[in-house]
Amino acid sequence: KAGVTQTPRYLIKTRGQQVTLSCSPISGHRSVSWYQQTPGQGLQFLFEYFSETQRNKGNFPGRFSGRQFSNSRSEMNVSTLELGDSALYLCASSSGTSGRVRDTQYFGPGTRLTVL
Amino acid sequence: GQQLNQSPQSMFIQEGEDVSMNCTSSSIFNTWLWYKQDPGEGPVLLIALYKAGELTSNGRLTAQFGITRKDSFLNISASIPSDVGIYFCAGRTGNQFYFGTGTSLTVIP
Repeated sequence: KAGVTQTPRYLIKTRGQQVTLSCSPISGHRSVSWYQQTPGQGLQFLFEYFSETQRNKGNFPGRFSGRQFSNSRSEMNVSTLELGDSALYLCASSSGTSGRVRDTQYFGPGTRLTVL
Repeated sequence: GQQLNQSPQSMFIQEGEDVSMNCTSSSIFNTWLWYKQDPGEGPVLLIALYKAGELTSNGRLTAQFGITRKDSFLNISASIPSDVGIYFCAGRTGNQFYFGTGTSLTVIP
């Protein structure tokens, strides 16, 4: 099985611009979660999509949004970029089902966003 | 959100030494996961644990799911330079995953 893929790997934007990041989950996985990682801050949960619906959401401003398509691919959008948005954005996929199913999250390589 | 307490925050060890790190939570989890992250890359899954008391090995790595379901530990035996990186624990409850703050491991040759 192919792993989680993220595009682009690197991105440079200026303040005020917007950006869209893409994530393709492992085949068969229906849940995609997005995380922001900055030095010293660890993994900050942004949101999770399951079957095209946002199921869980972290504490980020409305400038951060996402969506999921019928093929489970997901996009994350950040509008009106700020310098503090510079980070590694990680996406992780899982089957998304709870209960007795052995579910595990697998991460993509990340998109390194630099805001100038 | 849910916080996992991961310790130690950082470790500096000599090559060949054993390493131990752990994660604790105030809540019960039904899955514990351990990841390793190299600089600029995404975390890579090392070990997954699904049952209280479960002890699982992956080469020189061994992890255990605590009996109380509120903690887990990861041991690395006979460390080598390529073990350098940040190790994260994660716990799952329902359909949500929660992450520890990471342990930065430095191996001195």
